[in-house]
Amino acid sequence: DVKVTQSSRYLVKRTGEKVFLECVQDMDHENMFWYRQDPGLGLRLIYFSYDVKMKEKGDIPEGYSVSREKKERFSLILESASTNQTSMYLCASSSAGAGNTIYFGEGSWLTVV
Amino acid sequence: GDSVTQMEGPVTLSEEAFLTINCTYTATGYPSLFWYVQYPGEGLQLLLKATKADDKGSNKGFEATYRKETTSFHLEKGSVQVSDSAVYFCALSGNAGGTSYGKLTFGQGTILTVHP
Repeated sequence: DVKVTQSSRYLVKRTGEKVFLECVQDMDHENMFWYRQDPGLGLRLIYFSYDVKMKEKGDIPEGYSVSREKKERFSLILESASTNQTSMYLCASSSAGAGNTIYFGEGSWLTVV
Repeated sequence: GDSVTQMEGPVTLSEEAFLTINCTYTATGYPSLFWYVQYPGEGLQLLLKATKADDKGSNKGFEATYRKETTSFHLEKGSVQVSDSAVYFCALSGNAGGTSYGKLTFGQGTILTVHP
């Protein structure tokens, strides 16, 4: 079975802190994604990566950055956390090409106070 | 750009009732269509998918047919169970120009609650 593991399920951070959300996948997938989930808005794509050291902005990249130094690991960085970034963050991965199944981690609940 | 619209929820049903959750989409080219399910406290799991027009995806008693003429992918189940209570997301993976990298565009989600 494909496994996408997010390092933290629940985090509480202070406004202005730098926050790292880590994600690891074990299926040698080329593509990795970070989504944000908010009630009534569904999932919105923050950033994605189709190869090591490659990244593309999604629909809502402002206030976020990402890092992919190894194929299996994709990190989401909040440079200076703000209260409007309180949300559920979902990491996902898939093999290359359109139409392939995307596999999700269990999510990280981030609260910024 | 690509977009997905789901029927508004929440949806509340009694056990063994018939379920329909409507989903329509806007996309260029020939997208692949998906239904994902999220059980309480968990991440998203693929429920079913269809990659070309008139394909029917099915899993766990759920079905959805890719209708290009109506740009729809409605989810149906003949007899729901309490264990089907979850949030259901319709999504598409566009392939216009081959540069989508398989990323998904989601609808807003529909909360389903099934009572005994």
